[in-house]
Amino acid sequence: AIQLTQSPSSLSASVGDRVTITCRASQDINSALAWYQQRPGKPPNLLIYDASNLESGVPSRFSGSGSGTDFTLTISSLQPEDFASYYCQQFNDYITFGGGTKVEIK
Amino acid sequence: QLQLQESGPGLVKPSETLSLSCSVSGGSIATSSYYWGWVRQSPGKGLEWIGSFYYSGNTYYNPSIKSRVTISVDTSRGQFSLKLSSVTAADTAVYYCAAHLSLIDPFDFWGQGTMVTVSS
Repeated sequence: AIQLTQSPSSLSASVGDRVTITCRASQDINSALAWYQQRPGKPPNLLIYDASNLESGVPSRFSGSGSGTDFTLTISSLQPEDFASYYCQQFNDYITFGGGTKVEIK
Repeated sequence: QLQLQESGPGLVKPSETLSLSCSVSGGSIATSSYYWGWVRQSPGKGLEWIGSFYYSGNTYYNPSIKSRVTISVDTSRGQFSLKLSSVTAADTAVYYCAAHLSLIDPFDFWGQGTMVTVSS
């Protein structure tokens, strides 16, 4: 099974900061990667699909990049509503999720 | 806009079978071009895909729990179901039903989730 390793597992940041989260796959998954945001008590919400495509309605401060085994989610200017957990997901070979990154207020 | 809603017991005894249903509105399980699936999230932990199916196609299960899982559909009621047998405390989680366009697409729609605790 393909494993996804996210880093960091948590981070503290301030409003306006640029935040970068990485996701590394245990084998080549091409661009078959998505990013989700999850707020407490809510289901995940799709942000990015196919590694770099912004889902409709998602603010442009979110962006994704990468292919193969290394991927990045970037929030260009952190907003108060962005404090949440973020997960990557691969769908190249069945479906697996990364362990998550919790973005907390500094 | 698809809407999904999970339902089922919140408490299951060890060794018994966990049974959940997912009601779909805003679209038909049989005629929408979606795959329908289950994902769970253990308390304080990450997400785990359980399985997905396409109404007129195959059902796919996570190999790690395939031997204990059955996903089925009742189109007359607009529902699909999850059965997980021989549960242990490790199966305690929030269970989500979700929809995606194919097995190689992300999940577009999610239910709100239902917490299931395995305890005697």
